[in-house]
Amino acid sequence: GENVEQHPSTLSVQEGDSAVIKCTYSDSASNYFPWYKQELGKRPQLIIDIRSNVGEKKDQRIAVTLNKTAKHFSLHITETQPEDSAVYFCAAKPTDSWGKLQFGAGTQVVVTP
Amino acid sequence: SAVISQKPSRDICQRGTSLTIQCQVDSQVTMMFWYRQQPGQSLTLIATANQGSEATYESGFVIDKFPISRPNLTFSTLTVSNMSPEDSSIYLCSANEETQYFGPGTRLLVL
Repeated sequence: GENVEQHPSTLSVQEGDSAVIKCTYSDSASNYFPWYKQELGKRPQLIIDIRSNVGEKKDQRIAVTLNKTAKHFSLHITETQPEDSAVYFCAAKPTDSWGKLQFGAGTQVVVTP
Repeated sequence: SAVISQKPSRDICQRGTSLTIQCQVDSQVTMMFWYRQQPGQSLTLIATANQGSEATYESGFVIDKFPISRPNLTFSTLTVSNMSPEDSSIYLCSANEETQYFGPGTRLLVL
């Protein structure tokens, strides 16, 4: 089955700097890659996703890139703000998985003022 | 996007008892899923709740311990049976309409 590895496990950045989180996946049949943000005590919230027919997607300060050949995808947050502090999870969905997502281990992002 | 609610939001239970968690979606969805999230950990899929048929369980999870119902396209329940302290966790349901959205979770503490 699919296996997703996520790095780093923790990331501390100064406010205004950029943050990058990287994930690799094992199943070349995966075609959908969402990113979730989970604040303490809250539900995971979808922040951006990308499909395998696209190499990059942006939404304001957030962008995701996908390298299908290398089987890795990354989340980029620019101009970080304290409210970006949270745990971020990447996930991958194989085409034949009936919607099942395989999640990475998560990255704790701390943005210090 | 689907709006998902769960009941109860939290509970404290005695070992050996069972708790049923309800998940309600504001629109009809094909797929519903149940996850467990231990403190500080990632999300682990327990099972896929199939409408009109038995749930499909992931490795390490069994129907006797986590029976699931899916009576229609907007509702599902997860029961945590014969609980032990190791079952203390957050249980989340999700619905997939192309992208997957999560309920707020049920925080369970077993004493």
